[in-house]
Amino acid sequence: DAKTTQPTSMDCAEGRAANLPCNHSTISGNEYVYWYRQIHSQGPQYIIHGLKNNETNEMASLIITEDRKSSTLILPHATLRDTAVYYCIVRVGSSSGSARQLTFGSGTQLTVLP
Amino acid sequence: DTEVTQTPKHLVMGMTNKKSLKCEQHMGHRAMYWYKQKAKKPPELMFVYSYEKLSINESVPSRFSPECPNSSLLNLHLHALQPEDSALYLCASSPRGQGASYNSPLHFGNGTRLTVT
Repeated sequence: DAKTTQPTSMDCAEGRAANLPCNHSTISGNEYVYWYRQIHSQGPQYIIHGLKNNETNEMASLIITEDRKSSTLILPHATLRDTAVYYCIVRVGSSSGSARQLTFGSGTQLTVLP
Repeated sequence: DTEVTQTPKHLVMGMTNKKSLKCEQHMGHRAMYWYKQKAKKPPELMFVYSYEKLSINESVPSRFSPECPNSSLLNLHLHALQPEDSALYLCASSPRGQGASYNSPLHFGNGTRLTVT
């Protein structure tokens, strides 16, 4: 699976949009971009994933560049509860739903400030 | 709350003890995973089970022994651990097999925080 690069830490004001970048310049055509977050003392929580198109769900939006070499996770209105480590992971889409593990990088510590 | 339940939440054990970590899910998932997470580090994969069979062992020392007795349960048996094995142990599950989306995300429990003294 392709390696990702994320900033070590970021701050965001409460109520503002948090934009978390991820670089995955060696991504292959069949690799998906996943985002997870881990709030202190909890397990990782799935946020969103995508292949080529931008995606949106109730938690966040995922913007993937046209060349797919980078992406941005957007939390539209950050709250204090969004303070967490955010992991960008690139993972091959497998056939027949076979078990495919996640390989975590170092992630970005997002701190939402009051 | 998560749909993957891990027990106990905390465990302290001596180096000569034998203990087990338990993980349970009732989402019908047929792939289950053990990850280990040291403080301020990302989770690292230990084992993957697919249809109750061990499919991946990431060169984990034999003092960690996984077991998948049925499709809902995953155990991690611990014996003769070292203090450096102290960590958060995370269990996860995901769908697998025909009809399951091969991009389905992993669902994680909140982990067992293990301290080896």
